[in-house]
Amino acid sequence: KQEVTQIPAALSVPEGENLVLNCSFTDSAIYNLQWFRQDPGKGLTSLLLIQSSQREQTSGRLNASLDKSSGRSTLYIAASQPGDSATYLCAVEGSSNTGKLIFGQGTTLQVKP
Amino acid sequence: EPEVTQTPSHQVTQMGQEVILRCVPISNHLYFYWYRQILGQKVEFLVSFYNNEISEKSEIFDDQFSVERPDGSNFTLKIRSTKLEDSAMYFCASRVIAEAFFGQGTRLTVV
Repeated sequence: KQEVTQIPAALSVPEGENLVLNCSFTDSAIYNLQWFRQDPGKGLTSLLLIQSSQREQTSGRLNASLDKSSGRSTLYIAASQPGDSATYLCAVEGSSNTGKLIFGQGTTLQVKP
Repeated sequence: EPEVTQTPSHQVTQMGQEVILRCVPISNHLYFYWYRQILGQKVEFLVSFYNNEISEKSEIFDDQFSVERPDGSNFTLKIRSTKLEDSAMYFCASRVIAEAFFGQGTRLTVV
């Protein structure tokens, strides 16, 4: 059974720092891995999708990498800003072919001005 | 930019009542999903729907739950005889190929 774990659970950094969020999964047979942002009490906003054949994806100050064989992904945020404060969720799509996503518990990020 | 729309944003219901949560997926998407997030817990998969039928459902999705796509635009989740433990944020999602897009959620409170 696929399990997704995110470390750390919470992170507080001063504005301007570069930071890395970690995601690990137990079953390497995945189709995709997707990173989301969730603001308190709100929905999930898709940030980056990495397909299983890809190693990384970039969007603006965000870069996500995927190492399927070791069951790991990282989300790198460059030059963090207070507006980046949110919970970041990692989700994997396994081999069920239905698009079901299995989520980690998230990393709550606070960027202090 | 196209988005997944959910209504209502918040619903309060009495235990034992039936509720219907509504979603309008992105128009050209083919795959539809419901997830839920109990306060402080992970987002959990409930059900996937493709080609007018359920393609996968979780253990949570028992006979109390049903989904329907009554027309070309709406996708609904019905919960019969709600229980206190059904209180959660319910998210609808849709996708056309690989990337899933989520709605803003319906917060369901069962009292």
